[in-house]
Amino acid sequence: KNQVEQSPQSLIILEGKNCTLQCNYTVSPFSNLRWYKQDTGRGPVSLTIMTFSENTKSNGRYTATLDADTKQSSLHITASQLSDSASYICVVSLKAAGNKLTFGGGTRVLVKP
Amino acid sequence: GAGVSQTPSNKVTEKGKYVELRCDPISGHTALYWYRQSLGQGPEFLIYFQGTGAADDSGLPNDRFFAVRPEGSVSTLKIQRTERGDSAVYLCASSLTENSPLHFGNGTRLTVT
Repeated sequence: KNQVEQSPQSLIILEGKNCTLQCNYTVSPFSNLRWYKQDTGRGPVSLTIMTFSENTKSNGRYTATLDADTKQSSLHITASQLSDSASYICVVSLKAAGNKLTFGGGTRVLVKP
Repeated sequence: GAGVSQTPSNKVTEKGKYVELRCDPISGHTALYWYRQSLGQGPEFLIYFQGTGAADDSGLPNDRFFAVRPEGSVSTLKIQRTERGDSAVYLCASSLTENSPLHFGNGTRLTVT
């Protein structure tokens, strides 16, 4: 079964600090990997999309990395802000399946002042 | 607003009743998706429309669930004989094409009592 596993499930960091979230997947054949940010009570918002040939992609203070050989991705948040408190979801797209995406369970990040 | 709009934002219904959830996608987006998200979990795929037709309905859990998109724009997710296990947030997303980024609505929180 195609799966996307994220770790940690949750973490607390102090404002201004950096953190890294992990994503391991077994989805195959792989098309692209996406990171979404989901605020409480809102729909997910796209942060980055990477194809298998891309190793890294940045969106402001968010930097995603991808190792398609080991099927691992990470999302690094630099100089965290209180507004970064949210769930971060790793999503993998099957090749030739359009947007039939497989979602991870998310990492819940809480940034404290 | 030019985003994906879902109504109602909250729906409470009694077990056994019929409910309809509405999604207004971004104008011009041909692809429309329904997902279901339980508390603390990532969204799970339900059904995907390309234009008016359901291109993939493999995620619908059983025949109590049905969705339509008669004019290729607004979509309605219909649930018959609701059960308490149907309680979840139902998310709608649209994209310009099949492989474009998804834009999510804020969801409809369905509670079956």
